[in-house]
Amino acid sequence: EADIYQIPRYLVIGTGKKITLECSQTMGHDKMYWYQQDPGMELHLIHYSYGVNSTEKGDLSSESTVSRIRTEHFPLTLESARPSHTSQYLCASSAIGTGGFSYGELFFGEGSRLTVL
Amino acid sequence: KQEVTQIPAALSVPEGENLVLNCSFTDSAIYNLQWFRQDPGKGLTSLLLIQSSQREQTSGRLNASLDKSSGRSTLYIAASQPGDSATYLCAVLNSGYALNFGKGTSLLVTP
Repeated sequence: EADIYQIPRYLVIGTGKKITLECSQTMGHDKMYWYQQDPGMELHLIHYSYGVNSTEKGDLSSESTVSRIRTEHFPLTLESARPSHTSQYLCASSAIGTGGFSYGELFFGEGSRLTVL
Repeated sequence: KQEVTQIPAALSVPEGENLVLNCSFTDSAIYNLQWFRQDPGKGLTSLLLIQSSQREQTSGRLNASLDKSSGRSTLYIAASQPGDSATYLCAVLNSGYALNFGKGTSLLVTP
């Protein structure tokens, strides 16, 4: 059973507000990810982290930022939300295998559905 | 860049049928391949993980195979049930950082 949690599950917010989407995992996984998914569309990687104090941008350009101060916590922040940020944001984690590559299974949270008015 | 393609994009079958979902990838130098299930508005649930050295994995009514040389994987679902209705996603890891996902196959199993 995967233990990865996202808060909030649903958020409706006005343009210009700052928001933080929380993601926590209790599996001790080193690698964590944020994916963005529009309805009926494919997943796009926007941020990932190899471990504490490590953050990298993914394939899809995003105005969001992330931090990794603790192993279990990988929050995503939008400083000024816009309607174009309306989407579902999925957090995931996996263990690092040998040689620094991740051979492990990827576990996802339930997602945070953001609507910006 | 790795490209992952899933065929068909959508599939509707009557309850009880056996079915096969297909996944192909362009770069065969993968570390692993993972199949997921996604229900509407939800996150992804891991179904099966196949490491590059493995040929198949089984879990209950699900069986996934991997042919790295041809860049193909199949997900076989036996005796389908209405509760199997969901979108099934294939993802491959062939670099050190993150999986590449296909667009998914939307499955509807009718009673």
